[in-house]
Amino acid sequence: AQSVTQPDIHITVSEGASLELRCNYSYGATPYLFWYVQSPGQGLQLLLKYFSGDTLVQGIKGFEAEFKRSQSSFNLRKPSVHWSDAAEYFCAVALHGNKLVFGAGTILRVKS
Amino acid sequence: NAGVTQTPKFQVLKTGQSMTLQCAQDMNHNSMYWYRQDPGMGLRLIYYSASEGTTDKGEVPNGYNVSRLNKREFSLRLESAAPSQTSVYFCASSGGRVSYEQYFGPGTRLTVT
Repeated sequence: AQSVTQPDIHITVSEGASLELRCNYSYGATPYLFWYVQSPGQGLQLLLKYFSGDTLVQGIKGFEAEFKRSQSSFNLRKPSVHWSDAAEYFCAVALHGNKLVFGAGTILRVKS
Repeated sequence: NAGVTQTPKFQVLKTGQSMTLQCAQDMNHNSMYWYRQDPGMGLRLIYYSASEGTTDKGEVPNGYNVSRLNKREFSLRLESAAPSQTSVYFCASSGGRVSYEQYFGPGTRLTVT
């Protein structure tokens, strides 16, 4: 069955440090991949998506992600984290029929 | 555009009570979805509607029913609430220029005592 794994439940980084959140998927075909962010008490906001083409995609708020087919990964990165980036981040894979399968999420804490 | 709206924002029910969560979108999207979010489990799909007039079960449909009232509105009903249904419920829609891209509402926090 298709699945999405986010190995890190919590990550803490210092403000200004770089960030990488890991995402691995299990899916037979080339998937459509997404990263969403959820601030406390809010709904989910799309950060970026990969459908095809350039494997390095840029998103909002200075985030980027790289699709690596050989590793079945779609890791999210940011060169310099701001305190406002503290949130929960979800990786998702789109299945046929427009359905999404989500990972369990990674909670990002930012130390000042 | 309001996007995806959900009512109510918060609700407390006693075991066995019923209620309906409302969702509406103003983006002219064809598809709509109901998810529940529980700590450490991400979002799990309860039901979805690929288009007006159709509904299908998702990963965790037991204890829920849905109605796609029209293209804009998709409601989720709990007929007899149970403590296991304590969760945060999100509605989403898709079907714009990029059909796989889903837009989420702000959520309904439901507690069943």
